[in-house]
Amino acid sequence: EAGVAQSPRYKIIEKRQSVAFWCNPISGHATLYWYQQILGQGPKLLIQFQNNGVVDDSQLPKDRFSAERLKGVDSTLKIQPAKLEDSAVYLCASSFGTVKNEKLFFGSGTQLSVL
Amino acid sequence: AQKITQTQPGMFVQEKEAVTLDCTYDTSDPSYGLFWYKQPSSGEMIFLIYQGSYDQQNATEGRYSLNFQKARKSANLVISASQLGDSAMYFCAMREGRGLIKAAGNKLTFGGGTRVLVKP
Repeated sequence: EAGVAQSPRYKIIEKRQSVAFWCNPISGHATLYWYQQILGQGPKLLIQFQNNGVVDDSQLPKDRFSAERLKGVDSTLKIQPAKLEDSAVYLCASSFGTVKNEKLFFGSGTQLSVL
Repeated sequence: AQKITQTQPGMFVQEKEAVTLDCTYDTSDPSYGLFWYKQPSSGEMIFLIYQGSYDQQNATEGRYSLNFQKARKSANLVISASQLGDSAMYFCAMREGRGLIKAAGNKLTFGGGTRVLVKP
């Protein structure tokens, strides 16, 4: 069974540039999450989708970050313009979204370096 | 306020020995779940074990067991018979919910992690 796919694996940009990350969840998973993991810290939820609707984006810096999941499958996370403090690993996760306490499946992440 | 606290930033453990990773949590919700994930150098988060707040027995999954002390709000992970492949970051996470079976209640809040290095 294919896992959560993310691309690119690594990205290096200069501050004030824009960048986009892509995630393809496990087939059949209705819920998709984007987490930001700064070096030495645990992951922090940025946004959660249920199908193509946003469930929680309370910790998403909306002045520069945006995310979409138009057809309820793939998702893109965009940063524009990037700041130095956005350097982190961006993890995508998915789950069935039908039962409580179900586990999340994570991708390998995109490591972003902002110079 | 920190909801999940992992006080051990790093630990060494001898191969074949057991190791306990500490996790304390803070919630006023009577219904919650506690998870442990492993993150090797490849970056992927791998699910290890789950404990529900109403579960009467401590969870076990192979070499992993969870020492759940509800009154103390702790959910320590025990890894028995450590192997070299256990070297990784370990994260404790909590799901809070109000007993509703909705996807919105499945988001996880993570602790800061503990790095484990297994010595041969």
